[in-house]
Amino acid sequence: QLQLQEWGPGLVKPSETLSLTCDVSGGSISNNDYFWGWIRQPPGKGLEWIGSSHNSGSTYYNPSLKSRVSIYVDRSKNQFSLRLMSMTAADTAVYYCARQDSNCGGECYLYNFDYWGQGSLVTVSS
Amino acid sequence: SYVLTQPPSVSVAPGQTARIPCGGDGIETKSVQWYQQKPGQAPVLLVYDDTARPSGIPERFSGSNSGNTATLTISTLEAGDEADYYCQVWDPSTDHVVFGGGTKLTVL
Repeated sequence: QLQLQEWGPGLVKPSETLSLTCDVSGGSISNNDYFWGWIRQPPGKGLEWIGSSHNSGSTYYNPSLKSRVSIYVDRSKNQFSLRLMSMTAADTAVYYCARQDSNCGGECYLYNFDYWGQGSLVTVSS
Repeated sequence: SYVLTQPPSVSVAPGQTARIPCGGDGIETKSVQWYQQKPGQAPVLLVYDDTARPSGIPERFSGSNSGNTATLTISTLEAGDEADYYCQVWDPSTDHVVFGGGTKLTVL
């Protein structure tokens, strides 16, 4: 059974950079059929996609966050990471990592998120 | 950018059928997924590729997709179905994942 676990700081100061990591167990992050994504949820609000990355390096980002975000897949450690720069109070949210089904022929088509981490609450405050 | 529209709330009596719509321009051409999220928990995949169910998801949960509306149908409602429900697609014209705003289902 695939399991994902996020870890990182629960508190970040304004203007600083958030770094979160998702450990993947029970399966290989090198499986070419999947992308690895980050989704966040501000308190009391809906889900917002941050971005998705493949072990090949192919990555897609939410345009509203693209200037501040990077996602990296580390095959050697079977984990993937999120970096979000210039954090503000509006970035306070529960951050989820998830596996995303995909089909990449000439172009990539991404589908459902089938396995999720439990979520990590990140608060931005001085 | 592509937009998915869901009603903020739906209320249905136990034992009845709930239908949660997800509107989007030409959504029938896209693969739609549905997630259930209960308070304090991560979302759970209920339906993928419009109509398919992952193993372990009851047959009471079904999906359809036609025209500009995809629909999640939950039959024989139970108190435990009370949750937030989200639709999601991949927009190949922009290479972005899009989530609907979510619908809170109340079982009366």
